[in-house]
Amino acid sequence: DAKTTQPTSMDCAEGRAANLPCNHSTISGNEYVYWYRQIHSQGPQYIIHGLKNNETNEMASLIITEDRKSSTLILPHATLRDTAVYYCIVRVRDQAGTALIFGKGTTLSVSS
Amino acid sequence: GAVVSQHPSWVICKSGTSVKIECRSLDFQATTMFWYRQFPKQSLMLMATSNEGSKATYEQGVEKDKFLINHASLTLSTLTVTSAHPEDSSFYICSANDRVLSLNYNEQFFGPGTRLTVL
Repeated sequence: DAKTTQPTSMDCAEGRAANLPCNHSTISGNEYVYWYRQIHSQGPQYIIHGLKNNETNEMASLIITEDRKSSTLILPHATLRDTAVYYCIVRVRDQAGTALIFGKGTTLSVSS
Repeated sequence: GAVVSQHPSWVICKSGTSVKIECRSLDFQATTMFWYRQFPKQSLMLMATSNEGSKATYEQGVEKDKFLINHASLTLSTLTVTSAHPEDSSFYICSANDRVLSLNYNEQFFGPGTRLTVL
């Protein structure tokens, strides 16, 4: 799986958009970008994933650059409950029998 | 969405005792389950992969005789920490994979974790 690079930490004001970047310059054509988050003392939670088109769901939006070497996770209106560690993971889609490998992620702190 | 539970959510034990942690997929059959360990302020580290009815595959550096994994059914995997010591104190998280759901959704569903403290 391709390596990802994320900032160690970010701050965001409550109600503002949180934009979390991820670099994955060595991503290959069949690798997807996944985002998970982990709230303190809980298991990771799936957020969103994409291949090359921008994606949106009820939790967030995922913007992938045209060359697919980087992406941005957008939480449109951050709340205090969005304070968590956010992990960007790149992997091939059909690897049902293999585990997700977590990097260090970005610690997002949302404050009022 | 698919739900994975863990039991207990936290446990405190004396050094030298063994502790069993259960991981259950509540509304789907998990052909594969994964066990992770997470120390404070660190990321999740994969310990082992278990497939129903077969022996677990351990990551390098994880002692298979110390961390016994059993995946006897499609909905249950257990992790037993044998002869636990204070350095085994950690947050243990399991995840499960459903081959059918993984084609249309995300690939792994995580349990809430088990906090183990060894005195």
